[in-house]
Amino acid sequence: GNSVTQMEGPVTLSEEAFLTINCTYTATGYPSLFWYVQYPGEGLQLLLKATKADDKGSNKGFEATYRKETTSFHLEKGSVQVSDSAVYFCALRRDSGGYQKVTFGTGTKLQVIP
Amino acid sequence: EADIYQTPRYLVIGTGKKITLECSQTMGHDKMYWYQQDPGMELHLIHYSYGVNSTEKGDLSSESTVSRIRTEHFPLTLESARPSHTSQYLCASSEWGGTGEQYFGPGTRLTVT
Repeated sequence: GNSVTQMEGPVTLSEEAFLTINCTYTATGYPSLFWYVQYPGEGLQLLLKATKADDKGSNKGFEATYRKETTSFHLEKGSVQVSDSAVYFCALRRDSGGYQKVTFGTGTKLQVIP
Repeated sequence: EADIYQTPRYLVIGTGKKITLECSQTMGHDKMYWYQQDPGMELHLIHYSYGVNSTEKGDLSSESTVSRIRTEHFPLTLESARPSHTSQYLCASSEWGGTGEQYFGPGTRLTVT
């Protein structure tokens, strides 16, 4: 079946540090891949997405590249801010018999300190 | 901005009470979902719907029930709340086809005492 594996948190970084949150997946075919972000007290919101191999999704300084050869979709940001403190979820969507199943990773909590 | 709403945002209720968590969306999405989010943050799909009069159970068994009488409305009901139901409940919707992006409501934090 489909699965998503994220690095465990919490991740604590100083402001302006480089961020990488690893995400690998298991799925047949060509799933679409997503990163969602959940700020404290809120629901999830889409951060970025990629729908085919070698696509790069980007938003708000975050980037992730769909790597089919390594089945990975690592999230990166060159310089984090305190306002980036949140929980980040990697997810994939796979079409199966007309049903579009979305599988979420377990989430990685990021804390950025001034 | 996503137009999906959940009420109440916070609810503290005693054991044995019947409760309904409301979820509405104004985007005309056919698909809607309910997730339970545990303190470790992991999301568990408990119910989903493909459209009016369609409801299915998700990956995690739940004692709750749902209904879908109108496209925009997907309420979740617990007939008799128990402390084990204490959790965060997130509602989401998505359009049919497309890239599969889900739009989430702000959540309801339920505490059963």
